[in-house]
Amino acid sequence: DAMVIQNPRYQVTQFGKPVTLSCSQTLNHNVMYWYQQKSSQAPKLLFHYYDKDFNNEADTPDNFQSRRPNTSFCFLDIRSPGLGDAAMYLCATSRGTSGGYQETQYFGPGTRLLVL
Amino acid sequence: SQQGEEDPQALSIQEGENATMNCSYKTSINNLQWYRQNSGRGLVHLILIRSNEREKHSGRLRVTLDTSKKSSSLLITASRAADTASYFCATDARGSRLTFGEGTQLTVNP
Repeated sequence: DAMVIQNPRYQVTQFGKPVTLSCSQTLNHNVMYWYQQKSSQAPKLLFHYYDKDFNNEADTPDNFQSRRPNTSFCFLDIRSPGLGDAAMYLCATSRGTSGGYQETQYFGPGTRLLVL
Repeated sequence: SQQGEEDPQALSIQEGENATMNCSYKTSINNLQWYRQNSGRGLVHLILIRSNEREKHSGRLRVTLDTSKKSSSLLITASRAADTASYFCATDARGSRLTFGEGTQLTVNP
């Protein structure tokens, strides 16, 4: 089945120790997203790739970086995790449109990050 | 400010009852989507309604959209314990992005 896969499902890191979360997709969608979701809150968009074009949200901290080496994979790098970065990180994909509207997004199961 | 706002924040009902959740938004949209999230999991797309549509059905789900009032509702009929989840509306006012509301936590008691 076509899907969005996130690894690992749970990640424990130490304060200040760089960590990388990964996402892969078999849907062949050209748009990939990273969201941060804290407990009982809405998912907050960090950035997205439209093909190779990187789009950063204005309020995404510099501590968060992303790489998309090819259509199928996207990585979230947290350079120096703080306690406030503990959250669920969700990857999603969608089919990009030229009409400026948003199609359905398909989400992975998420990676829960714990910072000690 | 958040594009989508939902109410109620939490809803608790008995199995077999209907559940209605509401979403309001601020700016004009191309479409509005509803997603479900089970605890500790990713979001699952439920239904997409375009700005020129007023009502849409999918199984036990019924979504309405009133663009004049900038509001939408999600009705789940004959609810089941397995419907227990958080439900989010999302709008696409900003191009290739979705803005999510804060969600409604639905609890269906057996």
